[in-house]
Amino acid sequence: DVVMTQTPVSLSLAIGQPASISCKSSQSLLGTSGKTFLNWILQRPGQSPKRLIYQVSKLYSEVPDRFSGSGSETEFTLKISRVEAEDLGVYYCWQGTHFPLTFGSGTKLEIK
Amino acid sequence: EVQLVESGGGLVQPGRSLKLSCAASGFTFSDYYMAWVRQAPTKGLEWVASISYDGGSTYYRDSVKGRFTISRDNAKSSLYLQMDSLRSEDTATYYCTTAVGYWGQGVMVTVSS
Repeated sequence: DVVMTQTPVSLSLAIGQPASISCKSSQSLLGTSGKTFLNWILQRPGQSPKRLIYQVSKLYSEVPDRFSGSGSETEFTLKISRVEAEDLGVYYCWQGTHFPLTFGSGTKLEIK
Repeated sequence: EVQLVESGGGLVQPGRSLKLSCAASGFTFSDYYMAWVRQAPTKGLEWVASISYDGGSTYYRDSVKGRFTISRDNAKSSLYLQMDSLRSEDTATYYCTTAVGYWGQGVMVTVSS
């Protein structure tokens, strides 16, 4: 199984500060289609997950452009240019290239 | 507006069965792979099973293979998860999710005597 390793485990940031979350996979997520199925989601407290980014860097239409994703093969990063109050929660990376699909263990973002 | 509404959860004894349903609306259901993902209390997310557009291909995590069956009815825009021989470690909130990133609100399954 592909192991997804997220760091840091938690972040405590003030409004307006930038955030960066790393996600590393134990094997390349580049699929035979030439696409890399690395996704990011946010789970706010008490809620179901919400989609943020797919295929490494593509933002879903409703996601603010302060979010960005980058990376390739086995190393990926989610960045928030300026954290806002609504960004608190747990961020997960997950891969859809190889079965079984696997998730990172999550990064909890707290607002100072 | 896309909606995924799960139902069918509850308290069940070990070894018994339960069937979850997910009613989809707001998108062309038959165009997308679908999946079930679960989250044990205070834990992270764990993929359970996926199904192709027409139901012709299914995929399971090892721990549920032979016990769970994922299926879909494209005419009803519905996804299902038949869970047999349930174990305490299957206790979790089960989410229905699409290949384009939408998630349902989740349904709780508790396996306990």
